Amino acid sequence: EPEVTQTPSHQVTQMGQEVILRCVPISNHLYFYWYRQILGQKVEFLVSFYNNEISEKSEIFDDQFSVERPDGSNFTLKIRSTKLEDSAMYFCASKGGLADNEQFFGPGTRLTVL
Amino acid sequence: DAKTTQPTSMDCAEGRAANLPCNHSTISGNEYVYWYRQIHSQGPQYIIHGLKNNETNEMASLIITEDRKSSTLILPHATLRDTAVYYCIVRSRSQGNLIFGKGTKLSVKP
Repeated sequence: EPEVTQTPSHQVTQMGQEVILRCVPISNHLYFYWYRQILGQKVEFLVSFYNNEISEKSEIFDDQFSVERPDGSNFTLKIRSTKLEDSAMYFCASKGGLADNEQFFGPGTRLTVL
Repeated sequence: DAKTTQPTSMDCAEGRAANLPCNHSTISGNEYVYWYRQIHSQGPQYIIHGLKNNETNEMASLIITEDRKSSTLILPHATLRDTAVYYCIVRSRSQGNLIFGKGTKLSVKP
């Protein structure tokens, strides 16, 4: 069964450093998403991406964040200068088409900012 | 904010049916009810969705009241692996993102 994959599973970084979280969505899917979940809190939407551009973003997704689909398979989330409060699980998700109901989530990357 | 209200937690005995309620009194005509679950620290997993008719798939059944202001997710024979946080989400099909609430933490006990 096709699945969304994410690397690394755990990333530790120093405050102020740049990190790139990587995702490989399901092949042929057109819609891509990033969510985050701070420990013990709700899953929060960050950004959605379609047709090589951002289609929607939350107020969490400020200028420190960016997304990119550098090739036909990867979908990345970059945090330019990490803060302590960026520590969270980051989940990538993909969906086939607009009318599709199911978003498929990856296993997540645990980001720890020291 | 999420448009749904769910109990914080529920227990269920293994092998019995788990009935998880959700209130969505402000649901509008073009909005669907979706259910996802999150097993400890894993990515959320889609379970089922519906508009106004009851739905069933291999994982669960979804019962939506006639006025559509509430629904119940039914896991017919809960197993220990069904222990998870269950999220009821209301959204239109064209809406991209999912807005998660706090969900219901279901504990299936032997």
